[in-house]
Amino acid sequence: GAVVSQHPSWVICKSGTSVKIECRSLDFQATTMFWYRQFPKQSLMLMATSNEGSKATYEQGVEKDKFLINHASLTLSTLTVTSAHPEDSSFYICSARTTRGQGPETQYFGPGTRLLVL
Amino acid sequence: LAKTTQPISMDSYEGQEVNITCSHNNIATNDYITWYQQFPSQGPRFIIQGYKTKVTNEVASLFIPADRKSSTLSLPRVSLSDTAVYYCLVGRDDKIIFGKGTRLHILP
Repeated sequence: GAVVSQHPSWVICKSGTSVKIECRSLDFQATTMFWYRQFPKQSLMLMATSNEGSKATYEQGVEKDKFLINHASLTLSTLTVTSAHPEDSSFYICSARTTRGQGPETQYFGPGTRLLVL
Repeated sequence: LAKTTQPISMDSYEGQEVNITCSHNNIATNDYITWYQQFPSQGPRFIIQGYKTKVTNEVASLFIPADRKSSTLSLPRVSLSDTAVYYCLVGRDDKIIFGKGTRLHILP
């Protein structure tokens, strides 16, 4: 199946710094990528939808100025957590949708990035 | 997107068949039913998808009754490595909205 990678797999940073997380589709082109956040023992929460070459669409309650998303190419989307604080500590997961096909089956998830803000 | 209801948790033993049922009473005509599996600290993994009747792959079977208001994921002869959270999703939209999922715990 299609492979989605994330980098880094984990990151620890000081409060107030910014952290960038990369999501790459390794063997397919993705016109649409999604970013999720997951707290311990909870389900995934969709943060935003990013389309290649256009602005991301954020879900209600997600601060677009804090979570900057860039989808500059068909294989790369980045999420930057600006001025991170301890409450931003979470597991961030991206998914990529292939350009062919319809329906949820064509979405492939990355392995996730664990962020710890001290 | 249709709302789904699943049991919060289930326990079973190795070698048993496990059936997890998901209710989706307001499923739309064009909606598909998809199941994902998630291990701790990993991204979700696609298991199976169906529209009606029965679908089977190398991992699981999906049973969907005629009214499509529910579906059942069947895992044959589970092992300890099947301990995970299983999510039932209904829709056809680009976005995947996850429910709470079912935490399956396989016992030796």
